[in-house]
Amino acid sequence: DAKTTQPPSMDCAEGRAANLPCNHSTISGNEYVYWYRQIHSQGPQYIIHGLKNNETNEMASLIITEDRKSSTLILPHATLRDTAVYYCIVRDDGSGNTGKLIFGQGTTLQVKP
Amino acid sequence: NAGVTQTPKFQVLKTGQSMTLQCAQDMNHEYMSWYRQDPGMGLRLIHYSVGAGITDQGEVPNGYNVSRSTTEDFPLRLLSAAPSQTSVYFCASSYKSRGWGYTFGSGTRLTVV
Repeated sequence: DAKTTQPPSMDCAEGRAANLPCNHSTISGNEYVYWYRQIHSQGPQYIIHGLKNNETNEMASLIITEDRKSSTLILPHATLRDTAVYYCIVRDDGSGNTGKLIFGQGTTLQVKP
Repeated sequence: NAGVTQTPKFQVLKTGQSMTLQCAQDMNHEYMSWYRQDPGMGLRLIHYSVGAGITDQGEVPNGYNVSRSTTEDFPLRLLSAAPSQTSVYFCASSYKSRGWGYTFGSGTRLTVV
């Protein structure tokens, strides 16, 4: 599975959009981009995933560049409860699926009042 | 309640002792994994299983054993505890080929003195 690079930390004002970048320049055609988050000492929680197209759900939006080498997770109206570590993960869910989900260091998002 | 159940939630061991961390899921998930998380770090994969009777090593397998005799259970054994194994341990499960469907337990906080 391709490696990802994320900034170690970011701040965001409450009520504003939080844009979390992720670089995955070696991503291959069968690899999906996943985002999970971990709120203080809890188990990680799935947020959203995508392959090529932009995706939106009730939690967030995922924007993937046309060349798929980077993506951005958008929390449209960040609240204090969105303060967490956000992990961008690239994973092959096709024939190359090993069953592993590998976490990197993630981005610590601090939402401030 | 459906989900991943980890026991115990807290444990203190003396160096050299052995113990088993329990993990059970009732969602009929094929995939199960064990992670450890050290302070300020991301999750690191210890061992994983793609089905009953099948296990494999992750990123940091040394000092740990696993077995998967049933779909529901995936215990993690510490053979001879060391202070370096002080960590928070998370168990996760998912359906095959669904990187978006990982469900994590609430964690076991282990201290080795």
